[in-house]
Formats: sequence, structure tokens, C-alpha cells
Amino acid sequence: EDQVTQSPEALRLQEGESSSLNCSYTVSGLRGLFWYRQDPGKGPEFLFTLYSAGEEKEKERLKATLTKKESFLHITAPKPEDSATYLCAVGETNSGGSNYKLTFGKGTLLTVNP
Amino acid sequence: ETGVTQSPTHLIKTRGQQVTLRCSSQSGHNTVSWYQQALGQGPQFIFQYYREEENGRGNFPPRFSGLQFPNYSSELNVNALELDDSALYLCASSLYGSGNTIYFGEGSWLTVV
Repeated sequence: EDQVTQSPEALRLQEGESSSLNCSYTVSGLRGLFWYRQDPGKGPEFLFTLYSAGEEKEKERLKATLTKKESFLHITAPKPEDSATYLCAVGETNSGGSNYKLTFGKGTLLTVNP
Repeated sequence: ETGVTQSPTHLIKTRGQQVTLRCSSQSGHNTVSWYQQALGQGPQFIFQYYREEENGRGNFPPRFSGLQFPNYSSELNVNALELDDSALYLCASSLYGSGNTIYFGEGSWLTVV
């Protein structure tokens, strides 16, 4: 059974203090590693998809990287508006090849203080 | 904004009742999935619909059922509601195929009392 573990559960940073969130996974065949941002009471907002070890993607102050067993979400010089829960998920395809199921971790609650 | 819309946004039901949640997928998307998210947890996959048929199902009992319509919109029905069904129900849409991004709506908050 696919498993996704995120750490830390919660992270409090000062504005401008860079850090990383971790997502480790065990999956029989990775079909994509997804990062989402979720604000309180809202649905997850798509950030990145990574497909192969060594791949990196960036968006503003966020950079996601992927190895064979884990992914990191690096946050450079965060601002208070980056405060949210960050969710990691692994994708699984069915016999037809469609991304049909995401298995999520519990998320990391990031708080950035001004 | 993803273009995935859900209704209602909030509702309260009594244990044993039935509920229907609705979702309009993003324009151009032909696949709809439903997820349940309990407080403090990540979303859990309920099922996916493609071409108006169930295309995969998670570990949820048969009282969770769904429909997809020709315009790709979808419904989630839950019968015999239990207290543990209280959660945020998320609809997600995508194009059928490997590697396609899955976009979520804002969700429907269900409280069972």
C-alpha cells in the first residue's frame, strides 16, 4: 500500500528565514509526486508535479525537488502570505494509464511570522 | 481559481439522512474525482468517474455513490449518514491520461449531527 509521510507536522518561521519541508514515500511505481498548498477552509491549490528523480521545479519562493524516496519543498525568504498547509501526494495510474488516484500525506502547517 | 465549482459550500445533516453534493468540472476536463478530508488529515480518495462510469474506488463503503453526467459534471451521494462522515468533501477534475494535473474545488463542508 502506498504511504506518504510529511515532516515536520508544523513549522514556524520568521519572515525571510528559509527552510525545507520533507515528503517521504513508499510506492510500487511512482506516477508523479504532487505538491499542493491549502489555506484554511479552502480546497488544495496545485503547485508542482515531479515525475523523475533529479527533477526540480520552481515557482516564486518555492522550489520542489525529487529523489527516489523523498521530495523536498524549499521555501526561500518566506513571507507571511506563504502561511498555509502544504500537502504532498503520490499519483497512481490505472490500467488505462490515467492519473486516477492521489494518496496524500497529512500535510505540514507552515506559519511565517512578520 | 481552478474553475472547479462545488455546491453547497456548507450543510448540516442528521445521522441516518442522505446527502447529495454537486460538482462542475473545469472547462475541457473529462474526469472527475471525489475526496474526503477530515480535520487535520490529508484528503482521501473516494472514487473517480470517466465517461460516466466509475473508474476506480478507494476504501469507502457502498453507501458512498456517484454519478457523472454527459457535460462531465458530477454528484456524490452518501446514504445513511454517520457522525464520522463529517468532513470536507473535495471534487477534483482533470483530463484523462497519465501526467495530467488534478485540480480541486473549494469543497463542501458536511456536518452530521
